[in-house]
Amino acid sequence: SQQGEEDPQALSIQEGENATMNCSYKTSINNLQWYRQNSGRGLVHLILIRSNEREKHSGRLRVTLDTSKKSSSLLITASRAADTASYFCATVSGGSNYKLTFGKGTLLTVNP
Amino acid sequence: DTGVSQNPRHKITKRGQNVTFRCDPISEHNRLYWYRQTLGQGPEFLTYFQNEAQLEKSRLLSDRFSAERPKGSFSTLEIQRTEQGDSAMYLCASSLEGPDTGELFFGEGSRLTVL
Repeated sequence: SQQGEEDPQALSIQEGENATMNCSYKTSINNLQWYRQNSGRGLVHLILIRSNEREKHSGRLRVTLDTSKKSSSLLITASRAADTASYFCATVSGGSNYKLTFGKGTLLTVNP
Repeated sequence: DTGVSQNPRHKITKRGQNVTFRCDPISEHNRLYWYRQTLGQGPEFLTYFQNEAQLEKSRLLSDRFSAERPKGSFSTLEIQRTEQGDSAMYLCASSLEGPDTGELFFGEGSRLTVL
């Protein structure tokens, strides 16, 4: 079963604009991770935010976590055509400390 | 290249045939995972190895599926008597720490098409 739900399902923007993707989840978590997947390829880890953190930055990426609302957001600033990909949030929860549960993803298209 | 390697990348088979996928993890990683991903969905957990021990199997893994990791190195995922519903991307990942503390490193996946 999918723990996280990304919103929107698809997002199309122009190069240089910012892209914001949201993730909601259902149960308490240990951490939340964001992954990126180019079409037909494997997943690449972007950033991990722990349950006691509220915000984290990595380059052009900014992730927030609100455990009271069970939600996270991923902001990509100054987007580039190469950022075109699917973005997934994934959570680890409870006693399953070996299992990442992924959402359905947001398909981001950055138009040049 | 020291990333996670999966073979074959693509496999087309007829219904009822057996298929086997191989995953070579990053050499120092003792944890290995298999996920399945269908079109438009996120990856779904199938199974987890710590060294050679298979510690968890999802209920998604019917008795037609078997995974092994002999000697705690590479892993194989075999699907017997394939069905059209088995068509998916099979992703392997490895890690040094569990996902509760660190990231997973994914391979490029093995795409299965069952005709």
